[in-house]
Amino acid sequence: AQSVSQHNHHVILSEAASLELGCNYSYGGTVNLFWYVQYPGQHLQLLLKYFSGDPLVKGIKGFEAEFIKSKFSFNLRKPSVQWSDTAEYFCAVNSSNSGYALNFGKGTSLLVTP
Amino acid sequence: EADIYQTPRYLVIGTGKKITLECSQTMGHDKMYWYQQDPGMELHLIHYSYGVNSTEKGDLSSESTVSRIRTEHFPLTLESARPSHTSQYLCASSEGADTQYFGPGTRLTVL
Repeated sequence: AQSVSQHNHHVILSEAASLELGCNYSYGGTVNLFWYVQYPGQHLQLLLKYFSGDPLVKGIKGFEAEFIKSKFSFNLRKPSVQWSDTAEYFCAVNSSNSGYALNFGKGTSLLVTP
Repeated sequence: EADIYQTPRYLVIGTGKKITLECSQTMGHDKMYWYQQDPGMELHLIHYSYGVNSTEKGDLSSESTVSRIRTEHFPLTLESARPSHTSQYLCASSEGADTQYFGPGTRLTVL
């Protein structure tokens, strides 16, 4: 079975600080990887995804993530956060074995202070 | 903007009641999913569907049922609600393995 581990549950940063959120998964087969974001009072929405190809993927709002297969990791980064990045961030994986249902990490709550 | 809708958005009911949470999508997606999310926790898969007349159980399915009679509609039913069912329920849809689009959720409280 797949599992997803997010290392940081609560992160507080000042505006303009750099962000890196860790995500590791356990599954030996082919997986698709996602980062979702949930802004306060809004739906979960896709930030970025990796299916294949270039392991460095870029998403919306200046976010990027790097897939490192040897480390089973898919860390999320942003060079300079803004107050509007305050949200809950979820790493998720899926595969054909689970009918492509998403397996989520516990999420990281990010608070960006002015 | 994805078009996936859930009703009701909020529901407070008493123990033992039967409830149905509605989910509809207008994107023609073949796959649909129900997840349960408690505050500060990960989402857990309850049920999913590959298409019409297809339903599969997820991790937390034992106390609920779903149906998929139409592509766009994927209701979730709790036959007898209990306080342990108090949670947020999220519906999602996707085309194959691609991005899942989520609805706004139903926040359920069982007294």
